[in-house]
Amino acid sequence: GENVEQHPSTLSVQEGDSAVIKCTYSDSASNYFPWYKQELGKRPQLIIDIRSNVGEKKDQRIAVTLNKTAKHFSLHITETQPEDSAVYFCAASTGNQFYFGTGTSLTVIP
Amino acid sequence: GAVVSQHPSWVICKSGTSVKIECRSLDFQATTMFWYRQFPKQSLMLMATSNEGSKATYEQGVEKDKFLINHASLTLSTLTVTSAHPEDSSFYICSAENSRLSYNEQFFGPGTRLTVL
Repeated sequence: GENVEQHPSTLSVQEGDSAVIKCTYSDSASNYFPWYKQELGKRPQLIIDIRSNVGEKKDQRIAVTLNKTAKHFSLHITETQPEDSAVYFCAASTGNQFYFGTGTSLTVIP
Repeated sequence: GAVVSQHPSWVICKSGTSVKIECRSLDFQATTMFWYRQFPKQSLMLMATSNEGSKATYEQGVEKDKFLINHASLTLSTLTVTSAHPEDSSFYICSAENSRLSYNEQFFGPGTRLTVL
């Protein structure tokens, strides 16, 4: 099955700085790559996603890039704010299954 | 919208008993639902894919006879943890796919915390 790796596991940034989280996947058939934000005790919330026919997608302060050849995709958060602090998960899907990365705990220091 | 609910939100049971968790899509039909297990501070582990009207597809290492999944309608999937033991204590989350809204996008339930004494 698919193997999704995510780095780093923890990330601390100063408020206003950028944060980058990277994921790699193994199954070349994966064609959908969502990113989720999960606050403690709550359900994952989709923040942005990208499909395999697109290399980059941006939504305000959040952007995702995808390199299908290298099988990696990244989440970029600019101008970070304290409310961005949470655990972020990447995922890869072929459409039939979803496999999640191990998560990144992001702390934005005011 | 696309709202997914789970019931119960928290259940405590004695070792050896069975527990049923419900996952409902409230305002859309979900032909496919997914069940995940999440340990504290860890990622979501896919347990099985539930398809309406057919048998669930289980991930490697997940016991079919222990985690019974039934997807009897387009709005309801159930996960039954049979003969629960303390090691089954975890956070169980379902998600549903509404292919009419956005292909592949998942909508998550709030999760069910299972504590087995």
